Amino acid sequence: EAQVTQNPRYLITVTGKKLTVTCSQNMNHEYMSWYRQDPGLGLRQIYYSMNVEVTDKGDVPEGYKVSRKEKRNFPLILESPSPNQTSLYFCASSSGEGTSSYNEQFFGPGTRLTVL
Amino acid sequence: GQNIDQPTEMTATEGAIVQINCTYQTSGFNGLFWYQQHAGEAPTFLSYNVLDGLEEKGRFSSFLSRSKGYSYLLLKELQMKDSASYLCAVRAYGGATNKLIFGTGTLLAVQP
Repeated sequence: EAQVTQNPRYLITVTGKKLTVTCSQNMNHEYMSWYRQDPGLGLRQIYYSMNVEVTDKGDVPEGYKVSRKEKRNFPLILESPSPNQTSLYFCASSSGEGTSSYNEQFFGPGTRLTVL
Repeated sequence: GQNIDQPTEMTATEGAIVQINCTYQTSGFNGLFWYQQHAGEAPTFLSYNVLDGLEEKGRFSSFLSRSKGYSYLLLKELQMKDSASYLCAVRAYGGATNKLIFGTGTLLAVQP
């Protein structure tokens, strides 16, 4: 089954304790992205990657890191989480066939993070 | 700047038709998407428009006017399971990136 998986689905942690949220897709997609979703603000892009070893900042990258060592995986790293990073996080992937086509983004199930 | 506007909430009756509007002002335009998101779940793709006009897909249709920076999602024969948030998203850039800019979503409540 074609899918994007994220782990963990739920996480409660404390300020300053490093954490990693994993994201994996089995569709051989080139493009992957991380979003956070907050009430009244919608989905905002944190980082994206157009292929292996190619990453770039989205709209709200502060406090986050990413890596893309393999095509299927795109982990999100919070080196020193703070309470303002409490949010619902989504990973998404899509084909890198260019932007003239359909090219929908497929979303993972989400990770609800609480930083105390 | 980049701006996408949608109504925050709408209510409709089971079996009826509802239209959810979206207006956008972006630095570029390379396609508009509609996603459905049930509470606590991932967004799922509904429709895509890149040219002006109406795209129909079963009970769902989406319309685009690029000159007006306007789109709408039309849901017919509403069912209770259509109660969800509907997200309008614009792909504002060309090249290899597939970056989407999302509106804040319209929460639709379908009542019996």
